[in-house]
Amino acid sequence: SSELTQDPAVSVALGQTVRITCQGDSLRSYYASWYQQKPGQAPVLVIYGKNNRPSGIPDRFSGSSSGNTASLTITGAQAEDEADYYCNSRDSSGNPLFGGGTKLTVL
Amino acid sequence: QVQLQESGPGLVKPSETLSLTCAVSGYSISSGYYWGWIRQPPGKGLEWIGSIYHSGSTYYNPSLKSRVTISVDTSKNQFSLKLSSVTAADTAVYYCARHYHDYALYNWFDPWGQGTLVTVSS
Repeated sequence: SSELTQDPAVSVALGQTVRITCQGDSLRSYYASWYQQKPGQAPVLVIYGKNNRPSGIPDRFSGSSSGNTASLTITGAQAEDEADYYCNSRDSSGNPLFGGGTKLTVL
Repeated sequence: QVQLQESGPGLVKPSETLSLTCAVSGYSISSGYYWGWIRQPPGKGLEWIGSIYHSGSTYYNPSLKSRVTISVDTSKNQFSLKLSSVTAADTAVYYCARHYHDYALYNWFDPWGQGTLVTVSS
């Protein structure tokens, strides 16, 4: 399959841990990167490579991968983490591909 | 600090060609990396359009390849997108971004421009 599948919506209580997943056959071969997008703003890279955070991204964000599933974990979710999250990897031909996005609500 | 800024018409007529430019500051395009275009229709997800290396080597989303041309002008430190024969389905916010791409495991976009809304309408 050349798709990356994400749950459309996930919620988490303030201060709790949430995992956002991304599934696709290509994830067996390629690492995922993750982006946070708040309303009216451009996406921001939060995780890349095996589990790397760009400068300025809080350490409560982490990434992992197993089989055909990549995960973004937020440990101790904050109100400011409420946003859309997109995974990005490659399709079977090696072309960049984005997941459909997950809307995270912090309760 | 690397910054990208998209520019171009906000309104394009159906069947015409959409043209956008991305100006890069704080980093020389000639120093490396791919440089990409991504779009987001209103209320929808992200779609990669294509990317270009500083040498001019390009690769495109197969679903758009027949209509897309991306070029680079290293003297102006900018790269451009042309999308021909546009329809209402091409209405979207268009982003440019620096694109890390290797030939093994890794692929990411960082940083992104602020995006520019292009509406296709007569």
